[in-house]
Amino acid sequence: NAGVTQTPKFRILKIGQSMTLQCTQDMNHNYMYWYRQDPGMGLKLIYYSVGAGITDKGEVPNGYNVSRSTTEDFPLRLELAAPSQTSVYFCASRDTQYQETQYFGPGTRLLVL
Amino acid sequence: AQSVTQPDIHITVSEGASLELRCNYSYGATPYLFWYVQSPGQGLQLLLKYFSGDTLVQGIKGFEAEFKRSQSSFNLRKPSVHWSDAAEYFCAVVVYNQGGKLIFGQGTELSVKP
Repeated sequence: NAGVTQTPKFRILKIGQSMTLQCTQDMNHNYMYWYRQDPGMGLKLIYYSVGAGITDKGEVPNGYNVSRSTTEDFPLRLELAAPSQTSVYFCASRDTQYQETQYFGPGTRLLVL
Repeated sequence: AQSVTQPDIHITVSEGASLELRCNYSYGATPYLFWYVQSPGQGLQLLLKYFSGDTLVQGIKGFEAEFKRSQSSFNLRKPSVHWSDAAEYFCAVVVYNQGGKLIFGQGTELSVKP
């Protein structure tokens, strides 16, 4: 099991560019999440999905979009990059029950200049 | 509103000394609580979790945590710290909305002196 994988590891974007952060899990988990981590702020939820074809907004969704066409993949799209989106992005997945562990990917560090 | 507070932003302990990291939560229902560790440049790894039963929970790497409902706390402890424990530690609670997301504390950065 690879668990949760994310690509790329690091990316520099110019203001106004777009990109897709990839996330894949091989644990057959229905629930998947995108969080962003800013210094001193913990992690905040951007979007989540409870299964293929079902996504919804989290706490900080502005400037992002997601899709979930398969159980394994949950890409995060930035359409018009802004400096405020400079952050570390983590994808996570878990099994059905609330007490189940969320497994995190290694993260994508994004710098918008 | 649900929240998690980690009062200590940064803690320094000597190698071999004991460690306690504080976590306080605010949540109306029975909380499911987690401690994660993040080494520099890495993702988050689960140390331990509590969702019912014995209030003293054992985790990996020699860590334990005690759930105290009366104090709304879930403090993390280790009897003897190793240099490799230097990392950032996050306490989190699951909430029942937004897909069972985790609400995280701000994190506590642990430094270990030789």
